[in-house]
Amino acid sequence: QPVLTQPPSSSASPGESARLTCTLPSDINVGSYNIYWYQQKPGSPPRYLLYYYSDSDKGQGSGVPSRFSGSKDASANTGILLISGLQSEDEADYYCMIWPSNASGVFGGGTKLTVL
Amino acid sequence: QVQLVQSGAEVKKPGSSVKVSCKASGGTFSSYTISWVRQAPGQGLEWMGRIIPILGIANYAQKFQGRVTITADKSTSTAYMELSSLRSEDTAVYYCARVAVAAGWFDPWGQGTLVTVSS
Repeated sequence: QPVLTQPPSSSASPGESARLTCTLPSDINVGSYNIYWYQQKPGSPPRYLLYYYSDSDKGQGSGVPSRFSGSKDASANTGILLISGLQSEDEADYYCMIWPSNASGVFGGGTKLTVL
Repeated sequence: QVQLVQSGAEVKKPGSSVKVSCKASGGTFSSYTISWVRQAPGQGLEWMGRIIPILGIANYAQKFQGRVTITADKSTSTAYMELSSLRSEDTAVYYCARVAVAAGWFDPWGQGTLVTVSS
């Protein structure tokens, strides 16, 4: 199983933007995969936010504000979740996920986002 | 709107097995797969495996091969996850989640089932 690397923590102030990263191992090309992002608050199951493959192939979860967006940095083999206009309610854990094969899924270790 | 409703919390002895259920209310399993994801206390999410209910085909994460069995009953729109040879490290919240065919995201999720393994 590949390992998706997410920084354990990140912080930003209300109104600012938060850029959360998900780095794939070098033997897996980020350009070949949909990157899925989930938000989890304490005591609740995860919530689907969005997926990103390319600018022409992406999707937003139902009811997810447009200030949540996805992208990729191919040079860093990384998927990115950008949260603009941070609000206190965005404080949560965020997980990336891919399907490295048709029959196997893997999550990143998660990033705890603190809104200062 | 489909909801996934899971069975209640369990306390198990090391070496025993646990079977958790996940019932789709307000919908069926048609055109969906059901995955199981677990989360140990204070830890991240871990994908365990999935089933395609209409085909009865299950796939498992390598880590759980031989210890987990995922099944589904189409007649009741219920999926099951059985984990055997339990050890303390299996203490976790176990979630089921639905994935639509031709989609790849988990939505909705069940409410989670806490399984505690303790002697």
